[in-house]
Amino acid sequence: ETGVTQTPRHLVMGMTNKKSLKCEQHLGHNAMYWYKQSAKKPLELMFVYSLEERVENNSVPSRFSPECPNSSHLFLHLHTLQPEDSALYLCASSQDRVAGGYTGELFFGEGSRLTVL
Amino acid sequence: GEDVEQSLFLSVREGDSSVINCTYTDSSSTYLYWYKQEPGAGLQLLTYIFSNMDMKQDQRLTVLLNKKDKHLSLRIADTQTGDSAIYFCAESINYGGSQGNLIFGKGTKLSVKP
Repeated sequence: ETGVTQTPRHLVMGMTNKKSLKCEQHLGHNAMYWYKQSAKKPLELMFVYSLEERVENNSVPSRFSPECPNSSHLFLHLHTLQPEDSALYLCASSQDRVAGGYTGELFFGEGSRLTVL
Repeated sequence: GEDVEQSLFLSVREGDSSVINCTYTDSSSTYLYWYKQEPGAGLQLLTYIFSNMDMKQDQRLTVLLNKKDKHLSLRIADTQTGDSAIYFCAESINYGGSQGNLIFGKGTKLSVKP
């Protein structure tokens, strides 16, 4: 138990569906992240939110839409995805570096395995 | 751009030492990390090293940092079958914001044979 919970753990969707991935952290952190993990590729940072504001968007297609309503929750809304979007989507949280004791450590959830048919 | 390289596979026998190597590109990285990912799970921090250190030891784990060559290694002593997992090297990149940002390698899959 890492303190970061992702739901659903597995999701199968068609290319015309709309679905959402949810992430919740119980660690009191104020930065949250979405990463994409595909086979044979490095972990790709998709979005970063710090203090509920998006601070990084690594040229992610608009069919992925993040939402961070508060510092404990992060969503990834999915719309008209492609089969190549099938991957493990990992959520992570960290403590903002302004706080004392910063080490940059990311705490990951177990991921949501997405399959796009 | 930033890049972290590591070999994809390593196979060792139970009881032997494992050494996983990594090279990185950003000389200004403050912290370097080793994460472990077991099947069906997310990544979990194993250990990290501050950039002004050369070595860090934590029980069976030894991290060596060569800043000149931008080379990081993780040594696992007395490797056990439970150590079988994918090990990710990561460097911290600061884009000027207050939050950290990590660049990960592709991961080294460690297989431990009984």
